[in-house]
Amino acid sequence: KNQVEQSPQSLIILEGKNCTLQCNYTVSPFSNLRWYKQDTGRGPVSLTIMTFSENTKSNGRYTATLDADTKQSSLHITASQLSDSASYICVVTDNNAGNMLTFGGGTRLMVKP
Amino acid sequence: DTEVTQTPKHLVMGMTNKKSLKCEQHMGHRAMYWYKQKAKKPPELMFVYSYEKLSINESVPSRFSPECPNSSLLNLHLHALQPEDSALYLCASSQVPLGGGPYNEQFFGPGTRLTVL
Repeated sequence: KNQVEQSPQSLIILEGKNCTLQCNYTVSPFSNLRWYKQDTGRGPVSLTIMTFSENTKSNGRYTATLDADTKQSSLHITASQLSDSASYICVVTDNNAGNMLTFGGGTRLMVKP
Repeated sequence: DTEVTQTPKHLVMGMTNKKSLKCEQHMGHRAMYWYKQKAKKPPELMFVYSYEKLSINESVPSRFSPECPNSSLLNLHLHALQPEDSALYLCASSQVPLGGGPYNEQFFGPGTRLTVL
């Protein structure tokens, strides 16, 4: 069964600090991995997408990495801001005909002043 | 226009009520989705419409009835819901249906927060 596990479940950091969120998956065959940011009560917004051949992708202060061999991804947030407080969801798409999405449980990040 | 809109933002209904959730996109996308999301949980897929036809129904109870009147609109009709159906209901769309390749991104709407009393 395809699974996506994220850690930690929740994280509190001080404004200006960096943090790294982890994602492990067992989705096979693999197509792509996206990191989404979801503000409370809002829909997820895509931050990055990586396919099999990509091992790093940046979007402003967000940098995602992918190790397709170990089936691990990370999302690094640099110089955190209060507006980074949100849930970060790792979503992996399989490469079967249906391209189904498997969602991770998310990491709830709180940035404090 | 690169957004998915949903109405209403919030909805409170009794177990005997009939209500509808609406979703709209004007990006020319030909696939639209309904997800249910409980607090602190990831979204769960409910329905997929491909080219205005229902292609996936993830064993959703019949008290949820989807409808796709045209390529830009998606409705979710609600009837005789239970309190455990209270959740955030997310609509999403993608350029082509699932199977459209790695860059076939799903764009999500802001959701409707549903409370069933």
